[in-house]
Amino acid sequence: GAGVSQSPSNKVTEKGKDVELRCDPISGHTALYWYRQRLGQGLEFLIYFQGNSAPDKSGLPSDRFSAERTGESVSTLTIQRTQQEDSAVYLCASSLGPGLQETQYFGPGTRLLVL
Amino acid sequence: SQQGEEDPQALSIQEGENATMNCSYKTSINNLQWYRQNSGRGLVHLILIRSNEREKHSGRLRVTLDTSKKSSSLLITASRAADTASYFCATDAHHGSRLTFGEGTQLTVNP
Repeated sequence: GAGVSQSPSNKVTEKGKDVELRCDPISGHTALYWYRQRLGQGLEFLIYFQGNSAPDKSGLPSDRFSAERTGESVSTLTIQRTQQEDSAVYLCASSLGPGLQETQYFGPGTRLLVL
Repeated sequence: SQQGEEDPQALSIQEGENATMNCSYKTSINNLQWYRQNSGRGLVHLILIRSNEREKHSGRLRVTLDTSKKSSSLLITASRAADTASYFCATDAHHGSRLTFGEGTQLTVNP
């Protein structure tokens, strides 16, 4: 595709429910990243995929957060038993490879609100 | 904790003026990147400067990097109202491919 796409654009859920956020990276990009951005703050790294494996998942804040990637393409970030502090914009990015100087291209994000 | 810290947190200028934003970081880096974000959504990559570079230009953007002071600056010349956005620096340190972002500078350019 032309760019990184994410769905849904917005998600409102009740505390305790599970949510799934989807990311479609740029075709051919082997590296995929998830970040979280709370209101008025910078981005926090969550997890990085190279192909379908996740060599760095050190940013996941708790075991309620998990992510997977299939077919070296689509990735899903799942948050179980959502809490109000999970409210944020979740941003996905992809790059050609894990090279240290590869530009990361970002999707528009999913705005999650937990009531 | 955030690697980069931008200052100022907010900057308001008139159209046509230059805008300078600064970023400091704590650990050694491979490169430093600047991103722009409109309305809290997707980020747009502006410019990447490598650790062995001191200055880089792209259109109205000028980025400097001082690795001895662990700091970078982004200069936008002849600003336009459309430049209104949040600007973030991000570093790619030796420990992996993740980017570590600062808190950002909110730039407002008044017409």
